[in-house]
This record gives sequence, structure tokens and C-alpha cells, in this order.
Amino acid sequence: DIQMTQSPSSLSASVGDRVTITCRASQSISSYLNWYQHKPGKAPKLLIYAASSLQSGVPSRFSGSGSGTDFTLTISSLQPEDFATYYCQQSYSTLTWTFGQGTKVEIK
Amino acid sequence: QVLLQESGPGLVKPSQTLSLTCTVSGGSVSSDIYYWSWIRRPAGKGLEWIGRIYTSGSTNYNPSLKSRVTISVDTSKNQFSLKLSSVTAADTAVYYCARAFGYSSGFDYWGQGTLVTVSS
Repeated sequence: DIQMTQSPSSLSASVGDRVTITCRASQSISSYLNWYQHKPGKAPKLLIYAASSLQSGVPSRFSGSGSGTDFTLTISSLQPEDFATYYCQQSYSTLTWTFGQGTKVEIK
Repeated sequence: QVLLQESGPGLVKPSQTLSLTCTVSGGSVSSDIYYWSWIRRPAGKGLEWIGRIYTSGSTNYNPSLKSRVTISVDTSKNQFSLKLSSVTAADTAVYYCARAFGYSSGFDYWGQGTLVTVSS
């Protein structure tokens, strides 16, 4: 199975800060990496697919990069509505898909 | 507009079988470009992929749950379903159904989620 490891598990940041979350795969997954935002009581929301493609309707302050085993999600200027938990997810495997453990972004 | 809606009992007794259905509107479960998945989030924990089904009926499951999980599709009702047997308190979670457009596009549509509690 492909394991996904995110870091950090949580972070505190202020509005306007640049935030970077990393995700590492236990083996190469090419660019089959997706990022989600999850707020309490709501369904997760797809932000980035195929490592760096911005999902329709998602603000341009969100960006993704990486390939192989190392990936990053960057929020260029954190907004109040961005405080949430973020997950990476690999869709490379033909057998199983897996999520990272999540990164909680909190208000400093 | 694609909508997914989970339905099923919110309370299941230990050792029994959890059964949920996802009804899809605005899209067809018969389409051969989508994978339909179940995902859950236990309280205080992260998202866990349970498994997926393709229109052909082909399924794949999380190895940690494989012995207890069955996902099926009913094209006549435009629904797909989850059965999880021999449940314990550890299966208490919010369960989501979701659609993936192939392997390279992520889960683009989700249901709102339904809380299932395992308790006697």
C-alpha cells in the first residue's frame, strides 16, 4: 500500500501569511496527487488535482506543486475562510487510494 | 449540477451490519468515466478511503476493511451502496459518498455526509 505522510500535523498562522503544507508518498506516484480542504460539518472540497491543477472555482491563492514522492500545497495569503484541515490523497494506485493524516490550519 | 445524497440508519448495534446508500442526481452511475467511492471520518481522526466501484461492477477496497466491506451499484435507481459487517465502536464515523473522474482528477463531488454511531 502507498502511505501518505503530511507535515506539519497542525500549524498556527495569521491572516495574510504564506502557508505551505507538504505531503510525501511512500513510493513514486507521478503526479496523481490531490488536495482537499475540510471544514467541520461540511463535505471536503477539492482544491488541487493532478498535483498542480486548480479545481474550477477555487481561488488562485491556492497552488500545488511536486511530482514523484514530494508535494506541496501553498496558500499565498491566508484568508479567514481558509482556516480548516487540509488533506492530500493519492490516486496513483490501481488498487487502493489513500489520504494523508491531515494538517489543521489554526488562527494564531 | 451533480448531487450525491447518503441515506441509512444513524445508529447500528455492535456486531451488526452498517448499510448506507448514495443516491446520485445530475449524473449517471452508469457512466464509464467515473469511480464511485465511500470515505469516512471517525471523530478526531482523518479521512479514510473505504473503497470504490466502477460502472462495470468492479470494486477495490481498503485492505484494512476488505474482509468486512461490500460496495455495490444499482444502475436502475442511479445509486451505489455500502455494507460494512461486524461493526464495532471504531466504525463510528461520518460517512461520505464521492465521485472521482478517473484516476487523475480527484473526488470532485461529495455527499454532505451522514453520521453513523455504533452503540448498543
